[in-house]
Amino acid sequence: AQSVSQHNHHVILSEAASLELGCNYSYGGTVNLFWYVQYPGQHLQLLLKYFSGDPLVKGIKGFEAEFIKSKFSFNLRKPSVQWSDTAEYFCAVKGRAAGNKLTFGGGTRVLVKP
Amino acid sequence: EAGVAQSPRYKIIEKRQSVAFWCNPISGHATLYWYQQILGQGPKLLIQFQNNGVVDDSQLPKDRFSAERLKGVDSTLKIQPAKLEDSAVYLCASSGLVRRSYNEQFFGPGTRLTVL
Repeated sequence: AQSVSQHNHHVILSEAASLELGCNYSYGGTVNLFWYVQYPGQHLQLLLKYFSGDPLVKGIKGFEAEFIKSKFSFNLRKPSVQWSDTAEYFCAVKGRAAGNKLTFGGGTRVLVKP
Repeated sequence: EAGVAQSPRYKIIEKRQSVAFWCNPISGHATLYWYQQILGQGPKLLIQFQNNGVVDDSQLPKDRFSAERLKGVDSTLKIQPAKLEDSAVYLCASSGLVRRSYNEQFFGPGTRLTVL
């Protein structure tokens, strides 16, 4: 069965620090990769996605992610975080081998201290 | 554009009672999903509808969970009888085909269920 793992459950950092959240998935074949974000009290919303092409993907609010096929990874990065980036971040993978079902990782709670 | 609507937002019931959740997807979205998100975990797909047909219900505990989307628009998810382990947030999402197989899922606010 496909699985998605996120390395950190909680991350605490100060404003202006750099952020990197790890995401690995367990299966091969063609995949679509996503990062979703849930700000406090808000809905899950799409941050960025990788479908094909350039493996370095830029999303909203200054976030980017890099797809490394050989490592089955899709890590999320932001060079300088703001207090407003406090949220829970979910990596998700959709693969044809798993019936195109969207599988989420367990999430990483990020707290940015002002 | 109106988003995905869900009700109620919160529900507290005792075990063995029944409960129902309602979802109205974004207008024109043919695909509707129900997810279960247990505290500390990511959302897990329970059932996927394409119009009024079930595409995937492999992770739906069919002995107690049921879902329908009779007219291909709004949907209800029911639990009967509820167990303590059903305490979770139930998320509804919808998507519309854009091209090939890619279709972004838009999520509703969820219903937080507490089973006592």
